[in-house]
Amino acid sequence: GDSVTQTEGQVALSEEDFLTIHCNYSASGYPALFWYVQYPGEGPQFLFRASRDKEKGSSRGFEATYDKGTTSFHLRKASVQESDSAVYYCALGAPSGGSNAKLTFGKGTKLSVKS
Amino acid sequence: GGIITQTPKFLIGQEGQKLTLKCQQNFNHDTMYWYRQDSGKGLRLIYYSITENDLQKGDLSEGYDASREKKSSFSLTVTSAQKNEMAVFLCASSIDPTGSYEQYFGPGTRLTVL
Repeated sequence: GDSVTQTEGQVALSEEDFLTIHCNYSASGYPALFWYVQYPGEGPQFLFRASRDKEKGSSRGFEATYDKGTTSFHLRKASVQESDSAVYYCALGAPSGGSNAKLTFGKGTKLSVKS
Repeated sequence: GGIITQTPKFLIGQEGQKLTLKCQQNFNHDTMYWYRQDSGKGLRLIYYSITENDLQKGDLSEGYDASREKKSSFSLTVTSAQKNEMAVFLCASSIDPTGSYEQYFGPGTRLTVL
C-alpha cells in the first residue's frame, strides 16, 4: 500500500539555521503531497500541497518541491526561528480526480529551535 | 475561512464507560474524519464520512462507533473506555472526497480514562 517515510524523531537547530526534513513516498502515479505543522496543544495545520512533478509548494517561509524521480517532497526553510518549534508531518493523498478520501501521514518530525 | 469545533476539550471517563465526542465544522465541507493521536505518535484514522449519513471505517475502527447526523457535524463514540487510556482525538474536514485536497483539523479532545 501507499506509504510515507520522513526524518525520524527529533531535529535540533539554532535560530537562523537551515532546515531540511526529508519525506519520501511510495505510491503509484502522481499522488497529492502535503506538509502539516502541529504546535503543542493544537491540531495539525495545513502548510501547503503539491500534485505535479516539479511543482513547488510554499508557505510561511517553508517550501518543498515534488520530485517524481526520487519520490520525495523534502521540507526546507532557509532560516528557522524559535517559533518554528513544532512537529511536522508529511502526508500523501490521492492523485487529482482520485477516489480515496484518506490521507496517509508520516510519523512526524519534532523540530526544536533554540535561540 | 471556517473553523472546526470539538467538544469537550477534555474528557475524563471510567473504565467500561461509553463516551461521545462531538465535532462541528462551518466550512461546508463534504468529508469529515476522526483520528486518534497517542502521545508522541502520528495520526491513525478511525472513521471518515464523505457525505451526510455515510460512514467508512479507517484503520482503527474497532472499539468505536461514529455518526454523521448532518453535513456540519460528525460524532465519535468510544464504546467501552479502556483503563489507563490516554489519547487525543482529532476531527478534520476536507472540501471533497477524492483525497487530493487538504484536510483542516480541529483542536482535539483529550481523553483520560481512570
